[in-house]
This record gives sequence, C-alpha cells and structure tokens, in this order.
Amino acid sequence: GQNIDQPTEMTATEGAIVQINCTYQTSGFNGLFWYQQHAGEAPTFLSYNVLDGLEEKGRFSSFLSRSKGYSYLLLKELQMKDSASYLCAVRKGSGNTGKLIFGQGTTLQVKP
Amino acid sequence: NAGVTQTPKFRILKIGQSMTLQCTQDMNHNYMYWYRQDPGMGLKLIYYSVGAGITDKGEVPNGYNVSRSTTEDFPLRLELAAPSQTSVYFCASIRQTSSYNSPLHFGNGTRLTVT
Repeated sequence: GQNIDQPTEMTATEGAIVQINCTYQTSGFNGLFWYQQHAGEAPTFLSYNVLDGLEEKGRFSSFLSRSKGYSYLLLKELQMKDSASYLCAVRKGSGNTGKLIFGQGTTLQVKP
Repeated sequence: NAGVTQTPKFRILKIGQSMTLQCTQDMNHNYMYWYRQDPGMGLKLIYYSVGAGITDKGEVPNGYNVSRSTTEDFPLRLELAAPSQTSVYFCASIRQTSSYNSPLHFGNGTRLTVT
C-alpha cells in the first residue's frame, strides 16, 4: 500500500519563510510532485523531484530524500496570495504517466 | 487549446439517480484520470485510462464506471448516486513523453451534491 502524510494546517506571517513537510511510504516510487490549490479551484503544478536534493523555482523550493521517504516544500517571502492548500503527490509506475497518489494536503494561512 | 474541459460545473442529485460527468481534452493526451476530492482532503484516484479502449481502476472505483471510446473523451458514470459520492470531481490528462517532470493538466472540477 501507500501512505502519504502532511500536516493538516499551518499558519505563517507575510514576508516570512515556511516549510511544509511530506513523508511517504510507497512501492514503485517514480517522482514526487507539489501542487498548489486555491479554494474552489483545480490544483496547479509547483514542483517536481525524482532525485535527491533541492530544486529551486523562484520563491518556491522543493527537497527530496528518497532513502528517508521525505520531501519538503519551502516558500520564501510569503505573500497573502500564497494562502492555499499544498498537495504532496507521489507518482507510482514507469515513465511520466504513472498514477499520482495524493496526500491530504496542507492548508496554509498567511497572515499580515 | 481549451485544455481539459469538464461539464457540468455543479450538479445536485437525489439518492438513486444516475448521471454522467463529462471530460474532454484537446491536447491529444493519451492518459486520462478521474479524481474525487472530499472537503479538506487530498485527491483520490477513481479510474484512469492509458488510451482509447483501455481503462483501469484506481483507489476508490466502487460506485463508478468509465469508458474511453475516443482519445479526447473520458466520461465518468454514477449509476445509483449515494450521499457518500458528494464530492468535487477532477478530470486530468497527460501525454506520455520522455519528459519526466511534465505535470498533470487538470480540469476545473465538477461539484456534485447527492441528497
């Protein structure tokens, strides 16, 4: 089976840095995705890791440790518009089209 | 390109009624997926398809059926609606490529209430 765990809720202050953790247990691991989802909208792609290490994209970075089954999403210089749910998803199977299994999501509230 | 289009956007069903959630994509993607998302939760995979004529079960297939007669369309059928099927349904697609970091393309969702 598979298990993906994220904190349910987090709160942070505008301008600060926040780290959202994700731990997973799964067979057939083939990459980890982070998606952002604003209330009432579809998820949108943020980042992807398949090898150990840090991937940086502007204010957002994502880290992966395959041996520990652990990833985090780092958001810097938080803005009010970053208030959203952040979904960690593990891809199982081969190629770029394996099934995505999602965690429950972390709801981030950014306060002034 | 319209991307992934889902209809209807909202629907209220009575217990025992049936309906089909429509999903179509114009990106020539061969892989398509149906997810459901309950309030405050992540997405659960219902069914997926790797190409026309081929479908397979995901994590939570009970109570649903799918078909894939064309590359573009992947409808999801609820035969006997139950309150437990109240959820937001997302359709997604992707083309099989060598680019491993290509993400899923999501539709805007169908919000279904069964009372």
